[in-house]
Amino acid sequence: QVTLRESGPALVKPAQTLTLTCTFSAFSLTTSGLCVSWIRLPPGKALEWLAIIDWDDEKYYSTSLKTRLTISKDTSKNQVVLSMTNVGPEDTGTYFCARTWGTYTHPCTHFDFWGQGALVTVSS
Amino acid sequence: DIQLTQSPSSLSASVGDRVTISCRASQSISTYLNWYQVKPGRAPRLLLYFSSSLQTGVPSRFSGTGSGTDFTLIIHSLQPDDFATYYCQQSYSTPRTFGQGTKVEIK
Repeated sequence: QVTLRESGPALVKPAQTLTLTCTFSAFSLTTSGLCVSWIRLPPGKALEWLAIIDWDDEKYYSTSLKTRLTISKDTSKNQVVLSMTNVGPEDTGTYFCARTWGTYTHPCTHFDFWGQGALVTVSS
Repeated sequence: DIQLTQSPSSLSASVGDRVTISCRASQSISTYLNWYQVKPGRAPRLLLYFSSSLQTGVPSRFSGTGSGTDFTLIIHSLQPDDFATYYCQQSYSTPRTFGQGTKVEIK
């Protein structure tokens, strides 16, 4: 069955770069119409979409965070990596990766499988 | 960016109640609207996509309606497992965006 798992540091210091890896199984990011997204949930706040990468290596980012984010994929390892530069306390939260599926005419529309999440705390 | 406004932000209900959650988009998004259930410490769960299509494995007491700018999630008979926070999300354009969430609590 489809699984995704997030990995990365639990604690990051302010101004550092956070790097998270999503390792997935039972699907391939070479499949047309498939994407992987990153979403986070800050404590006491709402879900926030961060970035998406598609089967053709197209990438899109959150408007407010796009200068700080980079998403990439390694299809041979079934991994997607998200980097976030210059982190601050407001970046504390649980980070999820999710398989993103859709239709032939409108791909990558909904997040149908999610990882369990990686809790990241930004603190000195 | 397309803004999504959910109402109410929280509600109290009893088991067996019919619960309605609204989501309004800042511009027309056709039927590109999805709903998720989030519980503490758990992976979010896709409930409905394209406004009204029920995700595999989701109980039929969940339903969704709407198109354009106004959408509704209905839980027809609230069960103990349904106490959670619910989010709408638009997939009409990038960047994708979520509503601010609706917390469903036990009355």
